[in-house]
Amino acid sequence: ETGVTQTPRHLVMGMTNKKSLKCEQHLGHNAMYWYKQSAKKPLELMFVYSLEERVENNSVPSRFSPECPNSSHLFLHLHTLQPEDSALYLCASSRGTGLGSGNTIYFGEGSWLTVV
Amino acid sequence: GQQLNQSPQSMFIQEGEDVSMNCTSSSIFNTWLWYKQDPGEGPVLLIALYKAGELTSNGRLTAQFGITRKDSFLNISASIPSDVGIYFCAGQNTGNQFYFGTGTSLTVIP
Repeated sequence: ETGVTQTPRHLVMGMTNKKSLKCEQHLGHNAMYWYKQSAKKPLELMFVYSLEERVENNSVPSRFSPECPNSSHLFLHLHTLQPEDSALYLCASSRGTGLGSGNTIYFGEGSWLTVV
Repeated sequence: GQQLNQSPQSMFIQEGEDVSMNCTSSSIFNTWLWYKQDPGEGPVLLIALYKAGELTSNGRLTAQFGITRKDSFLNISASIPSDVGIYFCAGQNTGNQFYFGTGTSLTVIP
């Protein structure tokens, strides 16, 4: 138990579907992240939120839409995805995005997404 | 752009052997983190390092923050079957960005 909970753990969706991934952190952190993990590739940062404001968007296609209603919750809304979007999507949180001793990223268990 | 080189990519060792893996970066980092990821799960933090030269242990695991601030290593002593998994390094640079290595896949043969 890392203090970061993701649901669903597994999701299969068609290319015309609309679905959402949910993340909740119980660590009192101010920053939350979405990462994409594909086989044989390093983790790819998708979005960063700090105090509910998006601070980074790494050229992610608009078919991925994040939402951060408060510092404990983060969503990733999915629509008209492509088969190549199939991957493990990891949510993470940290105390803040800035430097300083103790700033560490904690990950959720991930949501396995398969687009058919 | 920023690069994190992690090696080796994979290791096959006998139970009881020691393991060593490392990460190097092309620029200075202020934080080094080591994670373990089991199949189908998210990465779990093993050790966090915040100062150059820092040596930190967590059970049979030991990690060090390199003096140059451009590298870090992780050692596992007396490996056991449950050590199997993928180990990732991560670093935070002076621009507050986290970067991740490609992982070291560890197989422990009983």
